Amino acid sequence: EDQVTQSPEALRLQEGESSSLNCSYTVSGLRGLFWYRQDPGKGPEFLFTLYSAGEEKEKERLKATLTKKESFLHITAPKPEDSATYLCAVQAGETSGSRLTFGEGTQLTVNP
Amino acid sequence: DGGITQSPKYLFRKEGQNVTLSCEQNLNHDAMYWYRQDPGQGLRLIYYSQIVNDFQKGDIAEGYSVSREKKESFPLTVTSAQKNPTAFYLCASSTPGLGGPDTQYFGPGTRLTVL
Repeated sequence: EDQVTQSPEALRLQEGESSSLNCSYTVSGLRGLFWYRQDPGKGPEFLFTLYSAGEEKEKERLKATLTKKESFLHITAPKPEDSATYLCAVQAGETSGSRLTFGEGTQLTVNP
Repeated sequence: DGGITQSPKYLFRKEGQNVTLSCEQNLNHDAMYWYRQDPGQGLRLIYYSQIVNDFQKGDIAEGYSVSREKKESFPLTVTSAQKNPTAFYLCASSTPGLGGPDTQYFGPGTRLTVL
């Protein structure tokens, strides 16, 4: 059974204080690991897809990295508008239209 | 403007009633999905469909039903058999990645409350 564990559950940062969110996973045949951002009352917004160990992707103040057991979402010099819940999910198998298994998310709050 | 629309945004249901949540996409995606999100929890898969006229149960399909008569539409019915239907419902769609993973894109969600 595929499993995704995110830590910490909640993180409070001061504006400009860099940090990282963790996503540990166990999956048989990783096809892809996904990061989403979710604002309260809204649908998740796609951020990154990673699918091979050592891969890194960046977008503005966010950088996602992947190893064989975990992924990190690094947030550099965050701003209050980065406050949201960040969701990690994995996709396994070789067929298209594969399902995602989600972690419970990390709720990030950035104070001005 | 391409995207996924869900309606209504808020839905109230009396106990014993069936209700249907709408999901439409104009992204020309083959696959569509329904997830349920409860407070403080991750998304859980209810049903998914990879092609028209075909769908599969996810992890929590009991008390729900779906249809996929058109590529663009994947409505979800929450039946009276669903014991605890109050939740935030999210629809997603994806298209096969070229030799890689399929990225799912989400709609804005429908919040269902049972009175």
